[in-house]
Amino acid sequence: DADVTQTPRNRITKTGKRIMLECSQTKGHDRMYWYRQDPGLGLRLIYYSFDVKDINKGEISDGYSVSRQAQAKFSLSLESAIPNQTALYFCATSVRHKEGDQPQHFGDGTRLSIL
Amino acid sequence: AQRVTQPEKLLSVFKGAPVELKCNYSYSGSPELFWYVQYSRQRLQLLLRHISRESIKGFTADLNKGETSFHLKKPFAQEEDSAMYYCALSNYGGSQGNLIFGKGTKLSVKP
Repeated sequence: DADVTQTPRNRITKTGKRIMLECSQTKGHDRMYWYRQDPGLGLRLIYYSFDVKDINKGEISDGYSVSRQAQAKFSLSLESAIPNQTALYFCATSVRHKEGDQPQHFGDGTRLSIL
Repeated sequence: AQRVTQPEKLLSVFKGAPVELKCNYSYSGSPELFWYVQYSRQRLQLLLRHISRESIKGFTADLNKGETSFHLKKPFAQEEDSAMYYCALSNYGGSQGNLIFGKGTKLSVKP
């Protein structure tokens, strides 16, 4: 089955460390997204990409960066992690269709804890 | 401003009771709306979208443009419906071109 895969699934690290979260997909979708989920706040968009090397900031991009070097991969980096970046991170993909926006398909999430 | 509001953080009902999860939106254009569900320790998955007008797992949602609402309903709740539910608005063509999510409602169905 075509899927969206996130690695790692869990990560504990220390303040100030650089961290990279990876997302890969076999759905052939051109659009990819990174969200963070916090209790009581729902999902908030960090960055999104509509094509290779296309990068767009979302609602909460400060402190994060992304890279889209291939259609199937979209990585999220925390250059210098801080405790309030502790959250559950989701990658998602979608495709634009002539009938309108198609639903986003989510990965299993990466639980990130920053001490 | 484009916004999705889910007024209830938690909704608790008994098995067999009707359930309605509220969603209101603010959007200047023609909205595309979705409901996503997240079962415990699982990924978010699409439950339904307004343009398909289909019923999934007994849930339905009608877009009411006059009231700017997209409430999710089910006549008889089941215990397996317990989950987090997110309403989302497609913002394609707007400043961000993505989904705007509400903060979610946790549905708890008691036996």
